[in-house]
Amino acid sequence: GAGVSQTPSNKVTEKGKYVELRCDPISGHTALYWYRQSLGQGPEFLIYFQGTGAADDSGLPNDRFFAVRPEGSVSTLKIQRTERGDSAVYLCASSLDPGGHYGYTFGSGTRLTVV
Amino acid sequence: DAKTTQPPSMDCAEGRAANLPCNHSTISGNEYVYWYRQIHSQGPQYIIHGLKNNETNEMASLIITEDRKSSTLILPHATLRDTAVYYCIVRVFQGAQKLVFGQGTRLTINP
Repeated sequence: GAGVSQTPSNKVTEKGKYVELRCDPISGHTALYWYRQSLGQGPEFLIYFQGTGAADDSGLPNDRFFAVRPEGSVSTLKIQRTERGDSAVYLCASSLDPGGHYGYTFGSGTRLTVV
Repeated sequence: DAKTTQPPSMDCAEGRAANLPCNHSTISGNEYVYWYRQIHSQGPQYIIHGLKNNETNEMASLIITEDRKSSTLILPHATLRDTAVYYCIVRVFQGAQKLVFGQGTRLTINP
């Protein structure tokens, strides 16, 4: 597609539930990044994929968070046993070159609200 | 932690040049300066990057001081659609590097 697509755009879930957030990167972009943005803050890095493998997952806050990219294109961020503190906008970005040196393209994000 | 310091907010009149400063006094020799902006309810948008020479593209100009400890992003003729949070980021060019965002500067363009 023309841009990075994230679905759903909004998700409200109850504390303790499991959620999946989807990212469709730009076709042909091998690098994919997930970031999380809390209200009034800049985005914070979560995980980076180069192809199918997670090259850097150092930003995942704990083992309730997991992400996959099985075919090197679409990625899913999975959050188990959600907590109210997980409420944030989850952003996905992709780039043609592995390091995003010429800029990433971000999606509009998924706003997750845990009640 | 972010390696850059930016003013939290700025105002600029429509049609004027908007000059957004950024301090990066601890920048390393192999680190580039990147600028992104984030318009309300959207993801960040790449604007420009540079190492030590001034750079210009269709969106903006980037002026980096000779000692590389600070830079200025210039929007030459600001419009209302330039109202956004602007982030200045330093990162190396080689390898895959995550972006470390600070708080950015909230730029408001006034009619």
